[in-house]
Amino acid sequence: GQQLNQSPQSMFIQEGEDVSMNCTSSSIFNTWLWYKQDPGEGPVLLIALYKAGELTSNGRLTAQFGITRKDSFLNISASIPSDVGIYFCAGQLYNNNDMRFGAGTRLTVKP
Amino acid sequence: SQTIHQWPATLVQPVGSPLSLECTVEGTSNPNLYWYRQAAGRGLQLLFYSVGIGQISSEVPQNLSASRPQDRQFILSSKKLLLSDSGFYLCAWSPLRPVGPAFFGQGTRLTVV
Repeated sequence: GQQLNQSPQSMFIQEGEDVSMNCTSSSIFNTWLWYKQDPGEGPVLLIALYKAGELTSNGRLTAQFGITRKDSFLNISASIPSDVGIYFCAGQLYNNNDMRFGAGTRLTVKP
Repeated sequence: SQTIHQWPATLVQPVGSPLSLECTVEGTSNPNLYWYRQAAGRGLQLLFYSVGIGQISSEVPQNLSASRPQDRQFILSSKKLLLSDSGFYLCAWSPLRPVGPAFFGQGTRLTVV
């Protein structure tokens, strides 16, 4: 099946710094999704992207759907301690029932 | 609004015992339903998905099975658990039409001992 390569695997940053992570694939996706997971809980949807080139913001989070439809990135500006968690990208095909996840980026924010 | 319920939250089962995890969705009709497994510190592995009652697609061959007896109910089962079945199991739903992202339940932490 399609593989998503998410990087970096982990990040240790200082509070107030900006964060950038990305996902690439050898396959084309119709939708790119970004989730955040807190320990012991299910992932929560942060941003959904539906068109190539689309740039969408959700508060301090900004994500873009790559023009080639094979990649996406997520930026977090001015990080705060509650940003700690694991961030997952997911690519979704047109038929909706095939959704693949990256391995996640574990973010640690030092106060 | 739509909500998804998954239970139990935690479960400790002996090797060889059966398993039944249940997931229900409220506030929507004809959802796509998914079961994922997440090993500690790892990504999400798709186990099963369903586009309708009685329609189950399996992604990974293993000793688990899934059933969808009702439109908004999805059940993950096993006849005999293995140690390797331990993990964090997540149920999710997504709208069928229009296409939309998946929304997850709170997860079940399964420990097979």
